[in-house]
Amino acid sequence: SQTIHQWPATLVQPVGSPLSLECTVEGTSNPNLYWYRQAAGRGLQLLFYSVGIGQISSEVPQNLSASRPQDRQFILSSKKLLLSDSGFYLCAASLAGRYNEQFFGPGTRLTVL
Amino acid sequence: SQKIEQNSEALNIQEGKTATLTCNYTNYSPAYLQWYRQDPGRGPVFLLLIRENEKEKRKERLKVTFDTTLKQSLFHITASQPADSATYLCAPFTSGTYKYIFGTGTRLKVLA
Repeated sequence: SQTIHQWPATLVQPVGSPLSLECTVEGTSNPNLYWYRQAAGRGLQLLFYSVGIGQISSEVPQNLSASRPQDRQFILSSKKLLLSDSGFYLCAASLAGRYNEQFFGPGTRLTVL
Repeated sequence: SQKIEQNSEALNIQEGKTATLTCNYTNYSPAYLQWYRQDPGRGPVFLLLIRENEKEKRKERLKVTFDTTLKQSLFHITASQPADSATYLCAPFTSGTYKYIFGTGTRLKVLA
């Protein structure tokens, strides 16, 4: 089965600072990759997904961006964080193709002050 | 726009009883529906997938139904245990998409 690695586990950043969260996947090739954000007590909000290297689909207009420089690496970035960027960020992967279960990473809890 | 609704109120039930959670969707016709479990501070974990042509799916103490006429899925946990306490998320999705859109989840608490 797939293993999803995310780091760091927690992060406290000042408003206006940059952000880089990394996600790597083990156990499969050519996975579909996803970034979600979950605000406290809320549901999962899909931010970006990728079905291949260099292919990124954005779901929500915001000051975040994503990149997939390698097959099993997915990076979430921001040039300037906002207070509203605080939340629990989850990376997920599914097998290539459609309708497969998603495997989630442990998440990064980001607090923007 | 597509909308997924799950009971926002927490569901408290007594150990040994059957828990029933509801997932309603509007403005689209999913061909598949997944259910996940999420514990506090953790990522969701996949439980079951049901297809539109399957009315019911079972896995151990779990049962999922999918009624495309009512636009609703029901998730049942029989003989519930305190360890079943968690938030349960549904994710209906349509054919031809790579996107997973999750409901807000229902928090279940099983009382000993």
